[in-house]
Amino acid sequence: KAGVTQTPRYLIKTRGQQVTLSCSPISGHRSVSWYQQTPGQGLQFLFEYFSETQRNKGNFPGRFSGRQFSNSRSEMNVSTLELGDSALYLCASSFWGAENTEAFFGQGTRLTVV
Amino acid sequence: SQQGEEDPQALSIQEGENATMNCSYKTSINNLQWYRQNSGRGLVHLILIRSNEREKHSGRLRVTLDTSKKSSSLLITASRAADTASYFCATGRRAGGGADGLTFGKGTHLIIQP
Repeated sequence: KAGVTQTPRYLIKTRGQQVTLSCSPISGHRSVSWYQQTPGQGLQFLFEYFSETQRNKGNFPGRFSGRQFSNSRSEMNVSTLELGDSALYLCASSFWGAENTEAFFGQGTRLTVV
Repeated sequence: SQQGEEDPQALSIQEGENATMNCSYKTSINNLQWYRQNSGRGLVHLILIRSNEREKHSGRLRVTLDTSKKSSSLLITASRAADTASYFCATGRRAGGGADGLTFGKGTHLIIQP
């Protein structure tokens, strides 16, 4: 069974631009959650989608948004990029939410803002 | 925000020895999951232990959970060079009508010396 697929793997963007990252979960999984990983803050929860509905959102500004499609694929968008948004963005897929079942992660998208 | 802390922050042992990492957390949980990460790549799921379980095994891995002390430990037996990585614990809990994603510790960096 295919794992979690994130695209693209690497991105370089300029301050002020916006970016869209994509995540395809494991087949059959309805929950997709997103995390930001930086050396200073570690791994932080961004938001989770379950059956196209956002279930919860972490403590991030409104520039960070996401959505989930009917096939469970998810995208996250960051608008008006700042240097501090440079990070590894990871998505996780689970059958019934990470608080209930195993959450499996993709390889991540490394975003560099210059 | 970080749920808890892994201890130690870094651990260096000889190949063949056992490695033990500890994780503490602050709130009540549904489950606790351990992950491995190699050099800033994606997180590999190792094991999930539920709040009503005390111990689980998977191959060379043994995880314990003590909810009264809000702590968990990961034991890797007969370590190999390929076990060199960062190890994270992550807690999952229900919050209100939904969930607030996985909350990660800061990780233990394990180095296996050949």
